[in-house]
Amino acid sequence: QVQLQQWGAGLLKPSETLSLTCAVYGGSFSGYYWGWIRQPPGKGLEWMGEINHSGSTNYNPSLKSRVTISVDTSKNQFSLKLSSVTAADTAVYYCARGQYTSHWDLQTRRVFYFYYMDVWGKGTTVTVSS
Amino acid sequence: DIQMTQSPSTLSASVGDRVTITCRASQSISSWLAWYQQKPGTAPKLLIYKASSLESGVPSRFSGSGSGTEFTLTISSLQPDDFATYYCLQYKSDYTFGQGTKLEIK
Repeated sequence: QVQLQQWGAGLLKPSETLSLTCAVYGGSFSGYYWGWIRQPPGKGLEWMGEINHSGSTNYNPSLKSRVTISVDTSKNQFSLKLSSVTAADTAVYYCARGQYTSHWDLQTRRVFYFYYMDVWGKGTTVTVSS
Repeated sequence: DIQMTQSPSTLSASVGDRVTITCRASQSISSWLAWYQQKPGTAPKLLIYKASSLESGVPSRFSGSGSGTEFTLTISSLQPDDFATYYCLQYKSDYTFGQGTKLEIK
């Protein structure tokens, strides 16, 4: 049973860089995407970005200029950095596994893969305050 | 960007009720939609993927339907453990969550 364990600094000052890491235990690291999602207090969920074992990334356009996601396949870990944080970045941050489903497109005769989050970490509360 | 509109934002119901939550996409997402349940202080839990596929271990009282732009999550007979917040997620193009539906005890 795959488990995600995440950690990182919980209290930051404005303009600092948020840094979180998520380790994958009990399952394969390749063949999936690995992502970050955040949830401000009392609000909904926001996807931040994802990475696969090869280092291919996709980012939320609204955060792209400040987000970097990296991977360390030797440790089955992936990490999130968010620069220049403000109080608006105060949230619970979750790491998650992107599980794929495939689709054969008759017109292009190609297989497409679509990923949804199926396994989540417990979340890390990050507070930004001066 | 694909926007997801979820309704209602709050739903009051009783144990044993049948309830339905709706998600509408701003453009067609085929069947690339998932549903999650979240309880306070915990991570979201996957219930349904590909619009209607039940995740392993999820009770059969949960079901999903729809395709294109309109989707529903139905709980056939509410149990005490089901009172939580529910989110839809489109994953056709990047990822967008609905705003959430808080299911409360009536």
